[in-house]
Formats: sequence, C-alpha cells, structure tokens
Amino acid sequence: AQKVTQAQTEISVVEKEDVTLDCVYETRDTTYYLFWYKQPPSGELVFLIRRNSFDEQNEISGRYSWNFQKSTSSFNFTITASQVVDSAVYFCALKEGNQFYFGTGTSLTVIP
Amino acid sequence: EPEVTQTPSHQVTQMGQEVILRCVPISNHLYFYWYRQILGQKVEFLVSFYNNEISEKSEIFDDQFSVERPDGSNFTLKIRSTKLEDSAMYFCASSVGLGRTGELFFGEGSRLTVL
Repeated sequence: AQKVTQAQTEISVVEKEDVTLDCVYETRDTTYYLFWYKQPPSGELVFLIRRNSFDEQNEISGRYSWNFQKSTSSFNFTITASQVVDSAVYFCALKEGNQFYFGTGTSLTVIP
Repeated sequence: EPEVTQTPSHQVTQMGQEVILRCVPISNHLYFYWYRQILGQKVEFLVSFYNNEISEKSEIFDDQFSVERPDGSNFTLKIRSTKLEDSAMYFCASSVGLGRTGELFFGEGSRLTVL
C-alpha cells in the first residue's frame, strides 16, 4: 500500500490561476512529519515545508499555503497566482522514524 | 547557505562496471541518506547512515550496493557491478537529526546512465 498518494499526475494551469496539489498519507504512528519538495526541471529537490503531526495549523508563505487535516490524512498544497517559475514536479513526503516515503509526484505546468 | 554537494553530476558507464558516487553532506549534519529516482518515477529510499554504520536500508539496497564515510566529510555510494536498471538519478541527503530537525537537505543529484 502507498504511504503517500498524490492522485494528480499532471496539472496544467494558466498563469495567475490558483492551483491545489493534493496529498493523502497513511500511517499508524502518532508522531510523524509531512513535507513538500519541489523538483524543477534542473532536477534538484528543494525543501518547501515541514509539518509535524501535532500541529494542524495551516501555514502561508507568500504565494504558498498548506492545509493539513489529520481527520482526512491530507496535506494539500496551494499555489496562489501561479507563475511560470512554479512549473516543476512537486513531491509530498511522509517521515516515520528515520525514513522518508515520497509520493509519486505531481507535475505542474504553468502556461504563460 | 550550506548545501549538500554531489559528484559527478552525470556518469555514463558500461554494464558490469563499478561506480562510486560521492557526496559531501552539510558539515554539522549527523544523518546521511541515499535516494534514487528512476526517470519519471518517485524518489525511493535506499539507505540511511548514522554513527558510521547503516541504520536502515530498503529492499533495493542489495549486496551490489555499499556506503562508506571514508574521511569524515565524504559519504559515498558504491555500486559494484552496475546493471541497466541502475540507471537513475541518485540523491544524497543529510539531516541534523531526527524529530523536529529531521528535514532532509538534498544534493543536486548524480545522474547515472548504464549502457
């Protein structure tokens, strides 16, 4: 079974539209961490955010916001007013103990 | 800003050859990892390393693979006899510790192409 599911394989939006990337996770641990990473076309993995299982407060960072809901085991990521530079593959990840589990990624294309 | 560095950025090798991928983790980090990403697929855990020994490894990390921290700064991944299916991007990562400080910082990856 997938620990982290990103059901959206590819998304295309027009510049300035808002877009939400979905992430659903599965764990039996009471303490865990959730992350989002961005992988631009150049290939590196860029850390975006970490959220621990005890903190359900939503977070906003500029045009990025994250909605963590334990009741639905979801950790969704919204980009407001998308820009072409946001085009990348975005990975959601779950950390249990010392191991990370990545989702399959969502490829976001922002069309100018 | 400190970063994880990896060399080479791209290596092409013949099937059956040995390959060593090198990583320099962030200097005050204690936990080191290798992940791989086959083209277009998800990032998969290979191995974690702490206190000069492997702490966890996945099913992918079989006897063909080994890791070493030879000199206190480098962290290497060796593939003894490469196979075609080893072609992938290999990411090194490090973290300060577990828990709140446990986010991974990744290097830019080493692309391995096995012919």
